[in-house]
Amino acid sequence: DTEVTQTPKHLVMGMTNKKSLKCEQHMGHRAMYWYKQKAKKPPELMFVYSYEKLSINESVPSRFSPECPNSSLLNLHLHALQPEDSALYLCASSQSDLPLKYFGPGTRLTVL
Amino acid sequence: QKEVEQDPGPLSVPEGAIVSLNCTYSNSAFQYFMWYRQYSRKGPELLMYTYSSGNKEDGRFTAQVDKSSKYISLFIRDSQPSDSATYLCAMTNFNKFYFGSGTKLNVKP
Repeated sequence: DTEVTQTPKHLVMGMTNKKSLKCEQHMGHRAMYWYKQKAKKPPELMFVYSYEKLSINESVPSRFSPECPNSSLLNLHLHALQPEDSALYLCASSQSDLPLKYFGPGTRLTVL
Repeated sequence: QKEVEQDPGPLSVPEGAIVSLNCTYSNSAFQYFMWYRQYSRKGPELLMYTYSSGNKEDGRFTAQVDKSSKYISLFIRDSQPSDSATYLCAMTNFNKFYFGSGTKLNVKP
């Protein structure tokens, strides 16, 4: 099973709202990722968690706050977003010794 | 110079055609080469991967890596309308993971 699940599928939020995106995998992968994808562009890396510790933050604004509660779960907390943050947010996971990334279906976020 | 270059297309072919998708790269340290298929408004799906050089075949799909030319290809035989999607190449040397810009493929019935 190579499934990564993400909830919600769609999210519409105002600039003053606080919301969270959730990601789950049960493949035993110890690396998990958040990506942002704009239309007609490839995914852009935001954060990397390795063994539940944040290892890479690609200079993402602090209005995005990641959290890894355990080895299967990854959250992305959103606060005071801007309309330009509207995008498809993708979660991915990979084994620690094999760099193949498996992506979830994404959360389509619209910021009004 | 970008690490990975990929023609964005769009590429439009009739059903049953052989499709060739390609990427070039500049970093000779890349070891894993991947192809992802992404349907509209969905997440990328890992289609195939190759370690180092050589060919790999899976049904109608063949992935080729030519490290001497820094060139990778994905061939789709007997293309179907359901193959219509954006195809992203990706490669890594473990330290960094790079996507191509994606090629949009349209297979016409």
